[in-house]
Amino acid sequence: GENVEQHPSTLSVQEGDSAVIKCTYSDSASNYFPWYKQELGKGPQLIIDIRSNVGEKKDQRIAVTLNKTAKHFSLHITETQPEDSAVYFCAAKNNAGKSTFGDGTTLTVKP
Amino acid sequence: DAMVIQNPRYQVTQFGKPVTLSCSQTLNHNVMYWYQQKSSQAPKLLFHYYDKDFNNEADTPDNFQSRRPNTSFCFLDIRSPGLGDAAMYLCATSRAGGLADDEQYFGPGTRLTVT
Repeated sequence: GENVEQHPSTLSVQEGDSAVIKCTYSDSASNYFPWYKQELGKGPQLIIDIRSNVGEKKDQRIAVTLNKTAKHFSLHITETQPEDSAVYFCAAKNNAGKSTFGDGTTLTVKP
Repeated sequence: DAMVIQNPRYQVTQFGKPVTLSCSQTLNHNVMYWYQQKSSQAPKLLFHYYDKDFNNEADTPDNFQSRRPNTSFCFLDIRSPGLGDAAMYLCATSRAGGLADDEQYFGPGTRLTVT
């Protein structure tokens, strides 16, 4: 089955700095890669996603890059703000519709 | 506007006492999922419905059951909760599970405590 590894498990940055979270996956059949933000006591919320036919996608301060050959994808947050503090999960979804999640990264943005 | 609604948000049950968690959706999505999420861990898929077709994950304990009486509602039944079943239970939906590129919409979760 699919195995998704996510690094780092915790990340602390100063407000205004950039944050990068990386994930690798094992199943070459996976072709949809969402990123979720989960705030305390809430369900995960999709913040950005990328499909296998695209190498990069950007939405304001958030960007995701995908390297299908190397089977890794990354989340980039620029100009971080304290409200970006949360747990971030990557996931890989295969043709059967099953999503496998990474173990999460706790991001802390210090004011 | 709430799209995936879970009730209750917090549930306390006693060891061994059956409990039911509910999820409803206003998106008219074909697929509904139940995940278990323990503290500081990734959501773990328990099962999902594609329309009325039930799909159980191989490692989901028999103690967990699910019902989907119609498109909008899905229930998670825990027949005999143990202390290890204390977790956040997340419901999610997607338009069509057969397509890989399909966004999941998560509910706010139900935090289950077992005493």
